Amino acid sequence: AQSVTQLGSHVSVSEGALVLLRCNYSSSVPPYLFWYVQYPNQGLQLLLKYTTGATLVKGINGFEAEFKKSETSFHLTKPSAHMSDAAEYFCAVRGRGLKTIFGAGTRLFVKA
Amino acid sequence: GAGVSQTPSNKVTEKGKYVELRCDPISGHTALYWYRQSLGQGPEFLIYFQGTGAADDSGLPNDRFFAVRPEGSVSTLKIQRTERGDSAVYLCASSLTKAAESYNEQFFGPGTRLTVL
Repeated sequence: AQSVTQLGSHVSVSEGALVLLRCNYSSSVPPYLFWYVQYPNQGLQLLLKYTTGATLVKGINGFEAEFKKSETSFHLTKPSAHMSDAAEYFCAVRGRGLKTIFGAGTRLFVKA
Repeated sequence: GAGVSQTPSNKVTEKGKYVELRCDPISGHTALYWYRQSLGQGPEFLIYFQGTGAADDSGLPNDRFFAVRPEGSVSTLKIQRTERGDSAVYLCASSLTKAAESYNEQFFGPGTRLTVL
C-alpha cells in the first residue's frame, strides 16, 4: 500500500526566497512520485515526476525535487519564489498499477 | 486538442437523491480515473478504468457509488441516496497508458462541484 505525508499545510515565503515543500511517502514497491500544482479555480497540473533513474528531477517553472530512498522523501524546491508560484501543491505516489495516492496538499503563500 | 471535460460543472441536489457525473477524457486515452476532493484535502482516489473495465475500484467509499465506462471513452460516476458528506469536487483524469507498469501523465478535468443539501 502507498501513502503520502506532506509536512505543513501552509508555507509562506518572501518573493525571491527559497521554496521548500516537504513530502514523505510510504510504498511497498518502488514508487513513482509526482508533484502537482493547483492554481485557484484551475485543474491539477503536473509539475514533475520521478519514475526511475536520476534522483534529481526538474520540472516546469523552475521547480525540482530529489528522490531520497533512504529518507523516503521527495521534497520540492525552487531557488527563488515568484508571486505567480502562489498555489496549492500536492505530492503523490503510485506503486504497481495506476492507483495514485495524493497528499493533503501544501498551500504556498508568496509575500511581496 | 481538447482536454478532459466534466459535466455539469456544478450540481446541487437534496439528500437522498440520485446524481450522475460525466467525464469526457482526452480522445485516445485508455485509462480514466475518478477522484474526490473535499475542502482543504488532496484528491482521494476512487476508481480507475483501463478501457471499459474497472481495474481498481478500491477507493469507492461504499455501494452507493458506482462508475461505468461502457464504450471505453466517456465515463459516468453514479451516486445513489446522496448524503451531505458526499459534498465535494469530483475530479476526472485520463492518461494514454496502455501498460500498468509504464508511466503516462494524468490529465485532469476541471471537476464537478457536488453540493448535497
